Amino acid sequence: DGGITQSPKYLFRKEGQNVTLSCEQNLNHDAMYWYRQDPGQGLRLIYYSQIVNDFQKGDIAEGYSVSREKKESFPLTVTSAQKNPTAFYLCASSDDSGFAYEQYFGPGTRLTVT
Amino acid sequence: AQKITQTQPGMFVQEKEAVTLDCTYDTSDQSYGLFWYKQPSSGEMIFLIYQGSYDEQNATEGRYSLNFQKARKSTNLVISASQLGDSAMYFCAMRESRFEAGSYQLTFGKGTKLSVIP
Repeated sequence: DGGITQSPKYLFRKEGQNVTLSCEQNLNHDAMYWYRQDPGQGLRLIYYSQIVNDFQKGDIAEGYSVSREKKESFPLTVTSAQKNPTAFYLCASSDDSGFAYEQYFGPGTRLTVT
Repeated sequence: AQKITQTQPGMFVQEKEAVTLDCTYDTSDQSYGLFWYKQPSSGEMIFLIYQGSYDEQNATEGRYSLNFQKARKSTNLVISASQLGDSAMYFCAMRESRFEAGSYQLTFGKGTKLSVIP
């Protein structure tokens, strides 16, 4: 079945540690996205990538980094510079040929930093 | 200014009744897409329905339909015959045709929490 996988579902880290969230898709989509969701809020874009080896900052990129070495994979690193990292993180992919295509989402990773 | 506004933080509906969730948007583009997603308590985002700015007919998908009023820039989601499983957060989102920074980014509203009462 085609889809997006994110692992792990729950992640706990100590303050000051970097942590990497995994995102893999087998939908053959060129574009991939990372969103952050805080309680009671909508999704905010962290980073996106349209093609391999290229990515762009979204609205809240500070304290995060990404890589796109393969079409299928778009890992997100939450660095120690991110001041408030505890949140729900969602990865998505889409066909970016036009505005009519929906984004497909993974199940998300809940990160708790203490 | 917010691009997507959902003014109802929470809504209640009796099982088997219909409910309308409001969404207004702001864009200067002529071509854009409007999406509704459902987010159950488990967290995944489920795509429900899409409306294109040039579509003359209101979109329908099973029990979901849109009341699209382009001049008012609103795209309200109507859920008919509500079921207990419809209890979730519902997000309205817009994808504009303008290729800002090289991508058709999706902008989300803050969501409406729907609770279906037995």
